[in-house]
Amino acid sequence: GQQLNQSPQSMFIQEGEDVSMNCTSSSIFNTWLWYKQDPGEGPVLLIALYKAGELTSNGRLTAQFGITRKDSFLNISASIPSDVGIYFCAGQVERDDKIIFGKGTRLHILP
Amino acid sequence: GAVVSQHPSRVICKSGTSVKIECRSLDFQATTMFWYRQFPKKSLMLMATSNEGSKATYEQGVEKDKFLINHASLTLSTLTVTSAHPEDSSFYICSARRTGGYTFGSGTRLTVV
Repeated sequence: GQQLNQSPQSMFIQEGEDVSMNCTSSSIFNTWLWYKQDPGEGPVLLIALYKAGELTSNGRLTAQFGITRKDSFLNISASIPSDVGIYFCAGQVERDDKIIFGKGTRLHILP
Repeated sequence: GAVVSQHPSRVICKSGTSVKIECRSLDFQATTMFWYRQFPKKSLMLMATSNEGSKATYEQGVEKDKFLINHASLTLSTLTVTSAHPEDSSFYICSARRTGGYTFGSGTRLTVV
């Protein structure tokens, strides 16, 4: 079935550092999504990407939809303590299709 | 707007009993809802797609007689875990499709003892 390979699995960074994580797939997705999940909560959408090559920002977050439609990355600039959590990439083949999730990147910020 | 309420947030039940989890779209109608399962430190795995007024579509490997889904109205889908066993303990999350995207509930932590 369709799978999304997300890396890294976890990251330990200092507050103020920039963060980069990415997601690849063996098959094409026409929508790429990035979510954040806090402990004991459902995922919350951060950025949605609908066109190959699209680069979209949401505050300190920037994500890009790869031109091959098989990859995407998320960057977080100047990390702050509330950025701690699990970040999931997700994809859809069609806009109203089910969402397939990557395995997540767990972000830790060192005191 | 676009709030999805999931209830209960936590439930503990005895092995062999059934548990019902509700997913409500509070301010929009959702003809399609999705149910996910998440194990600790793992990803969200899609279990089934719930369609209002028709049978749910289950993903491969998900037992439809074990996980009963009912989507009787445009704002409510329910997931019933029947004859629950400890291995059914997990975090269950619903999602509702709306115009412009999807909204997720806050999840239900099920513990079967």
